[in-house]
Amino acid sequence: GENVEQHPSTLSVQEGDSAVIKCTYSDSASNYFPWYKQELGKRPQLIIDIRSNVGEKKDQRIAVTLNKTAKHFSLHITETQPEDSAVYFCAASRGTGGFKTIFGAGTRLFVKA
Amino acid sequence: SAVISQKPSRDICQRGTSLTIQCQVDSQVTMMFWYRQQPGQSLTLIATANQGSEATYESGFVIDKFPISRPNLTFSTLTVSNMSPEDSSIYLCSVEISGGTEAFFGQGTRLTVV
Repeated sequence: GENVEQHPSTLSVQEGDSAVIKCTYSDSASNYFPWYKQELGKRPQLIIDIRSNVGEKKDQRIAVTLNKTAKHFSLHITETQPEDSAVYFCAASRGTGGFKTIFGAGTRLFVKA
Repeated sequence: SAVISQKPSRDICQRGTSLTIQCQVDSQVTMMFWYRQQPGQSLTLIATANQGSEATYESGFVIDKFPISRPNLTFSTLTVSNMSPEDSSIYLCSVEISGGTEAFFGQGTRLTVV
């Protein structure tokens, strides 16, 4: 079945450094790749997404890259801040129309002040 | 966007009993999904709640254990039946807005079975 692998499971960085989280997916029909941030005790919230017709997307300190050939996509956070500490989930889906979203296992990011 | 109200937010239940979780959306949505998130784990899709028809369950989840209702385009319920301690988890509803792909989540229901 469909699968999304996410690495690393835990990431610790110093404030101001960059953080990179990588995911791979198995379903070649996937065309929508969202990233969610989940703070402790809260619901997951979308922070950025990318569609298959785009290779890179940036929103302030957050960027996502997609390599459809290799079925890889990555989240890049620059100039990390303590409030970036959370669990981050990558996901993949075939898009609209009721196709399910498959989530990665999550990365627990710690940003040390 | 969508505002999702999920309740209860938490409950402690006796084994063998059932709990029904409600999910109310402030607008009509095409797709509603139910997820389980065990402590420190990822989100696992239980089923897709279809309006006007039976829910579609993922592998490992069955209707007898997790009956779902979807009476209209703004509301769904998930029942966790005949509970055991292994059912202790966070249950989240999620919606997909028509024409969009972003999933919006309810605040979750933290279930503890004792």
